Amino acid sequence: DTEVTQTPKHLVMGMTNKKSLKCEQHMGHRAMYWYKQKAKKPPELMFVYSYEKLSINESVPSRFSPECPNSSLLNLHLHALQPEDSALYLCASSQDPVVLDTQYFGPGTRLTVL
Amino acid sequence: AQTVTQSQPEMSVQEAETVTLSCTYDTSESNYYLFWYKQPPSRQMILVIRQEAYKQQNATENRFSVNFQKAAKSFSLKISDSQLGDTAMYFCAFMRVGHSERTGTASKLTFGTGTRLQVTL
Repeated sequence: DTEVTQTPKHLVMGMTNKKSLKCEQHMGHRAMYWYKQKAKKPPELMFVYSYEKLSINESVPSRFSPECPNSSLLNLHLHALQPEDSALYLCASSQDPVVLDTQYFGPGTRLTVL
Repeated sequence: AQTVTQSQPEMSVQEAETVTLSCTYDTSESNYYLFWYKQPPSRQMILVIRQEAYKQQNATENRFSVNFQKAAKSFSLKISDSQLGDTAMYFCAFMRVGHSERTGTASKLTFGTGTRLQVTL
């Protein structure tokens, strides 16, 4: 089973709203990732959690706040977003963060900021 | 820094025919992985095939195979007997293990810009 689930599938929010994206995997993976993907572009890495600790933050604005409550869950809290933050947000996981291994992606959350 | 180049923005192939997607990369690393991911209109990023750099044998997965030329830093994907369901954006990706005092250690994927493949009747 290589399933990564993400909720919600679609989200529309205003610039003053606070919302959260959720990602879950039950493969026993110890690394989880958030990517942002604009239309017709490749995914861009935002955050990496390694053994539930933030390992990499690719200079993402503070209006995006990641959280890893446990090894199976990864949240992305959104606050005061801008219209240019509208994109597909992809979650991924891999077995071990410090070795070369395959990243498995979830279906994504399509976010629209009005 | 690693770069991944896909020089074909769009390609088209007829059903049942064979098509090859190109990918080149640049790295000074000796140990790395290469991937092809497929992203259909549903937007799910699906792993197609993986190649470990230390393996000389080209990876194959059913109708999908790669031509891995390490010295030339080339990693092309061949799709045989193309099917309508193969219509998607295909991303070539490079993975290395990154080490940073500031950010820690984790494997990182670098994607190419993608090739949009259309399979026609």
